[in-house]
Amino acid sequence: EAQVTQNPRYLITVTGKKLTVTCSQNMNHEYMSWYRQDPGLGLRQIYYSMNVEVTDKGDVPEGYKVSRKEKRNFPLILESPSPNQTSLYFCASSRIPRGTGELFFGEGSRLTVL
Amino acid sequence: GQQVMQIPQYQHVQEGEDFTTYCNSSTTLSNIQWYKQRPGGHPVFLIQLVKSGEVKKQKRLTFQFGEAKKNSSLHITATQTTDVGTYFCTYGGSQGNLIFGKGTKLSVKP
Repeated sequence: EAQVTQNPRYLITVTGKKLTVTCSQNMNHEYMSWYRQDPGLGLRQIYYSMNVEVTDKGDVPEGYKVSRKEKRNFPLILESPSPNQTSLYFCASSRIPRGTGELFFGEGSRLTVL
Repeated sequence: GQQVMQIPQYQHVQEGEDFTTYCNSSTTLSNIQWYKQRPGGHPVFLIQLVKSGEVKKQKRLTFQFGEAKKNSSLHITATQTTDVGTYFCTYGGSQGNLIFGKGTKLSVKP
């Protein structure tokens, strides 16, 4: 089954404790991206990657890191989480290198930073 | 920066009424996509529009792309409770980034 898998789905952590949210897709997609979703602000792109070893900043990259060492994986790293990073995070992938066309989203990861 | 305005932010309708959400850009778009997100769920792709003046239909949903490719709309005829959710538009920016409208949250009263 074609899917984007994120882990963990739910996480409560404390300020400053490094965490990684994993994202994996099994569709051999070129494009992968991360979003955060906050009430009243909609979906905002954090980082995106158009290919292996190529990553670019989206609208809200501060406080986040990503890597794309393999085509299927695109982890999101919070080196020192802060309460303002409490949010619902989505990973997505697309067959189209620039991300247009159909985006396949993961189920989401709800992160709370205390 | 690049942005797209989506209105209304909320829409409450009686089941059977029609619903429309609009996305407006100050710049010409090469294409636009529409997504639906059910409560507690993740966004799901509905459609992509590419051509000026394009109109596409999916059962009770009608999607339009403006002649100038600066606006788009999603119209639902005779809403049902299964239509509840948030509808987003999005388009690709000049750098490979994606810009999303803030969404229109639709609630349907039975």
